[in-house]
Amino acid sequence: NAGVTQTPKFQVLKTGQSMTLQCAQDMNHNSMYWYRQDPGMGLRLIYYSASEGTTDKGEVPNGYNVSRLNKREFSLRLESAAPSQTSVYFCASSEEVRHRVNEQFFGPGTRLTVL
Amino acid sequence: AQSVSQHNHHVILSEAASLELGCNYSYGGTVNLFWYVQYPGQHLQLLLKYFSGDPLVKGIKGFEAEFIKSKFSFNLRKPSVQWSDTAEYFCAVNARTGGFKTIFGAGTRLFVKA
Repeated sequence: NAGVTQTPKFQVLKTGQSMTLQCAQDMNHNSMYWYRQDPGMGLRLIYYSASEGTTDKGEVPNGYNVSRLNKREFSLRLESAAPSQTSVYFCASSEEVRHRVNEQFFGPGTRLTVL
Repeated sequence: AQSVSQHNHHVILSEAASLELGCNYSYGGTVNLFWYVQYPGQHLQLLLKYFSGDPLVKGIKGFEAEFIKSKFSFNLRKPSVQWSDTAEYFCAVNARTGGFKTIFGAGTRLFVKA
């Protein structure tokens, strides 16, 4: 099993450009998440999807959109990149147990720089 | 709003020293608690978790954490650290009524000198 995979690993964008970060998991998990990690701020939730066909905003959703394409895939789109979106982006998935959030499994991250 | 505080941003220890990393959270209801670790160049992975029961939980690689409800704390401990414990450690809290939102602390970077 590959677990959680993300593409690309690195990306440099110019301000105003758009891009989509891809994430896939092969563990048959219902829930998927997108986080950004910034120095001194830990991980902050951008969007999550509790199940196929549903998405919800997290702490910092502005400037992002998501698509839960199917149970395996959850993509994050930046429509018009800004330097403030320079960060490391992590995708994660989890399986809830009796409505409790269980352990999250993380992808390797995408390091994005916006110039 | 929920928040998670990790008291130390950077910790430097010598091998064989004892480790305690502090974590406090702000939510007053029932919570699920986690510690994750990120080794250099690797994914975040789970060290240990607490849902209910014995407040002293044991995780991988000799780590343990104690849930003290009255103090809203979930501190991570290890009696004797090794150079290979050099990593960043994150405390995370999920309030059961908060759905699927897990709040992470800012992280503590641990450097263990050989």
